Amino acid sequence: QLQLQESGSGLVKPSQTLSLTCAVSGGSISSGGYSWSWIRQPPGKGLEWIGYIYHSGSTYYNPSLKSRVTISVDRSKNQFSLKLSSVTAADTAVYYCARRGWLQEFDYWGQGTLVTVSS
Amino acid sequence: QSVLTQPPSVSAAPGQKVTISCSGSSSNIGNNYVSWYQQLPGTAPKLLIYDNNKRPSGIPDRFSGSKSGTSATLGITGLQTGDEADYYCGTWDSSLSAGAVFGTGTKVTVL
Repeated sequence: QLQLQESGSGLVKPSQTLSLTCAVSGGSISSGGYSWSWIRQPPGKGLEWIGYIYHSGSTYYNPSLKSRVTISVDRSKNQFSLKLSSVTAADTAVYYCARRGWLQEFDYWGQGTLVTVSS
Repeated sequence: QSVLTQPPSVSAAPGQKVTISCSGSSSNIGNNYVSWYQQLPGTAPKLLIYDNNKRPSGIPDRFSGSKSGTSATLGITGLQTGDEADYYCGTWDSSLSAGAVFGTGTKVTVL
């Protein structure tokens, strides 16, 4: 059974960079046809897709966040990472990593990690 | 600002049926696959429906999906207290601001 687990700092100061990692177990991040995504959910609000990466390293970002987002993959560690720069309070959210399948569905999700932006 | 519109809430008694609509446009639902997610309180979303109407292994047939034009619908029959959750539709948007998009979310309450 594929499992995803987020880790990283839960508290980030305004203007700094948020960094999270998603460890994938029970399967290879290099499996063909899948992409690996980050999705966030501000407290009490809906879901917002941040971006995804293929095992090849190809990325695709939400246009509204593109200037601040970097997603990278480490195939040797079977994990992928998110960096979001110049954060503000509006970036406070639960951040989820997820696998995106062939038909655009997000079929496996991590449990999520709350990141708070505050001084 | 989500491009997919859902009703904020729906409710019904145990055993009854509810339907949740997801309204979009030709740049998203009209030309892409729709998926549905269930988010129980305090947990991560869970895939319920993909490819408009297919259920992953382990999802009971009480959950069904359909798509017509630029709208999609999730149906839940034989409503149970454990179905009380937030439900989101999702798809790809092929407009200038292309990317994965989610609906506004619907809270299902079992009366």
